Amino acid sequence: AQSVAQPEDQVNVAEGNPLTVKCTYSVSGNPYLFWYVQYPNRGLQFLLKYITGDNLVKGSYGFEAEFNKSQTSFHLKKPSALVSDSALYFCAVRVHYGGSQGNLIFGKGTKLSVKP
Amino acid sequence: EAQVTQNPRYLITVTGKKLTVTCSQNMNHEYMSWYRQDPGLGLRQIYYSMNVEVTDKGDVPEGYKVSRKEKRNFPLILESPSPNQTSLYFCASSLLGHSYNSPLHFGNGTRLTVT
Repeated sequence: AQSVAQPEDQVNVAEGNPLTVKCTYSVSGNPYLFWYVQYPNRGLQFLLKYITGDNLVKGSYGFEAEFNKSQTSFHLKKPSALVSDSALYFCAVRVHYGGSQGNLIFGKGTKLSVKP
Repeated sequence: EAQVTQNPRYLITVTGKKLTVTCSQNMNHEYMSWYRQDPGLGLRQIYYSMNVEVTDKGDVPEGYKVSRKEKRNFPLILESPSPNQTSLYFCASSLLGHSYNSPLHFGNGTRLTVT
């Protein structure tokens, strides 16, 4: 069965330090991987995606993610965290079945807290 | 502005009283979906729709109904709500195509409380 795991419920980082939010996946076909962010009282917002090509993907707000096929991981990173990055982050994977578009499977989310 | 609009944002109701949460998108997206978000469980898909008059069950469809009579609207119906349906609900939409790389656009959520 397809699945996505975010092994950390919460990540705490000091402002200015690099941050990593981890994601691993298990799929039977080629994965299409996404990161979303959720700010309080808002819906999820798309950050970045990996479809094919370069393993390092750059997205919104200075975030990037590294696809590692051998480790089946897609960790979200940022070189220098901001207090305003504090939010809930979701990793998601989409796998297609035959000719139809597969649904997105979400991880449980990781709460990122950036302290001044 | 391109957006997914859900109404209402907050809803408190009693067990058994039918309710509808509306969802509308103005991006001409074929794909629409409903999710519920619960602490520790992340996002779970309730129903989705690939196009008008085409709907299918997600992971947790019990107790919910949907319809897709028009491309822009995808209402979520709770015929007889129960307390275990107390949750935060999100509607989302995306383009549908062979590329599979279209991101989902989410509404701002509906917080439902069933007493």
